[in-house]
Amino acid sequence: QSALTQPPSVSGSPGQSVTISCTGTNSDVGSYNRVSWYQQPPGTAPKLMIYEVTNRPSGVPDRFSGSKSGNTASLTISGLQAEDEADYYCSSYTSSIGWVFGEGTKLTVL
Amino acid sequence: QVQLVQSGAEMKRPGASVKVSCKASGYPFTSHAIHWVRQAPGQRLEWMGWINVGNGNTKYSQKLQDRVTITRDTSASIAYMDLSSLRFEDTAVYYCARVVGFGGLDYWGQGTLVTVSS
Repeated sequence: QSALTQPPSVSGSPGQSVTISCTGTNSDVGSYNRVSWYQQPPGTAPKLMIYEVTNRPSGVPDRFSGSKSGNTASLTISGLQAEDEADYYCSSYTSSIGWVFGEGTKLTVL
Repeated sequence: QVQLVQSGAEMKRPGASVKVSCKASGYPFTSHAIHWVRQAPGQRLEWMGWINVGNGNTKYSQKLQDRVTITRDTSASIAYMDLSSLRFEDTAVYYCARVVGFGGLDYWGQGTLVTVSS
């Protein structure tokens, strides 16, 4: 099972919005609303930002939002802040093997 | 508060096995599944498998299914991940994480570094 496809890097200036895409297939992202997003600053454990495509855990700012269209899920961060700089990973349930993560995207706040 | 506390770093020879523990506290242990995820140095997250803590059912990644075993001790609120026939490429930080809803991992252990070296 290959990883879900994410752009290697994205960047934005403080206050701007950025969107990170996560492309899978109709065996995973396209068929199940079980997409999650994680933020991972260097040297730390991942933190759940979005689950079940659009749900935000308590404590996650509403600047973070998730969506899905077809086989592609997206994470949008609005009002970008310096503290948002981190690696971001998507994950999805897949009918074939269980769960799969994305390749990861490095977000740089300029 | 919810906590997952993992066992300490391990150094192993190729061909050996390693068992990592994950002690849960702050919630009913059997009410949430536990997943195991690993991350090799500088690499992406890799899903390894999960256990339904309530009934003990497990599912493993195809890549690791012949070498990984996930178990739990409900009396002690501990989940275990056992990886056998270790290879150099198994060097990674291993995480346990608790599931919320359908697959969101809301609480993570601190990670356990497993180094495979001759």
